[in-house]
Amino acid sequence: NAGVMQNPRHLVRRRGQEARLRCSPMKGHSHVYWYRQLPEEGLKFMVYLQKENIIDESGMPKERFSAEFPKEGPSILRIQQVVRGDSAAYFCASSPFSKGTDTQYFGPGTRLTVL
Amino acid sequence: TQLLEQSPQFLSIQEGENLTVYCNSSSVFSSLQWYRQEPGEGPVLLVTVVTGGEVKKLKRLTFQFGDARKDSSLHITAAQPGDTGLYLCAGARDAGGTSYGKLTFGQGTILTVHP
Repeated sequence: NAGVMQNPRHLVRRRGQEARLRCSPMKGHSHVYWYRQLPEEGLKFMVYLQKENIIDESGMPKERFSAEFPKEGPSILRIQQVVRGDSAAYFCASSPFSKGTDTQYFGPGTRLTVL
Repeated sequence: TQLLEQSPQFLSIQEGENLTVYCNSSSVFSSLQWYRQEPGEGPVLLVTVVTGGEVKKLKRLTFQFGDARKDSSLHITAAQPGDTGLYLCAGARDAGGTSYGKLTFGQGTILTVHP
């Protein structure tokens, strides 16, 4: 059973470009969470999605960031007009259910560098 | 607002010593998960504790969830150089009527075990 997959593992963008990060959850998991880990900081929740629905985006910056989890295909975190402060590791996690007692399994992350 | 205080932030010990990492909060959690993260990789789940007072053992690692489900500890017996890494605690809380597992992470403990 394959784990959570993320691609690309490393992404370099120039200021003003768009970054698209992809996440394929574990087989059988329909709940996806995105977290961001800034240098020298801990992981911070960004958004929680189910298929075709955004459930909680309270951790997402108000501008330039968006996320989706379509009926078919991976979940995508999109960052428009990237700035240097967006440089970070972005992790996706998935779980089979949405209860607070459920374990989340993390992918290897995408490391975004903005030049 | 930092809901999970993890301590110590850094721990440097000799092989064979014992150590304890603490995770404390004023909030009640539905579950508490411990992860280990290697440089350049995503967090890897060690254990999930759900019940207040629960104790789980994983070889030389012992995890405890506080009776009130507000705190947790990780104890490592006879540490080995292979235990070196970043240890993270993360709590999931039910959010007023909507139960889902958005994780709040502690700041992490960087453990170094010297041979």
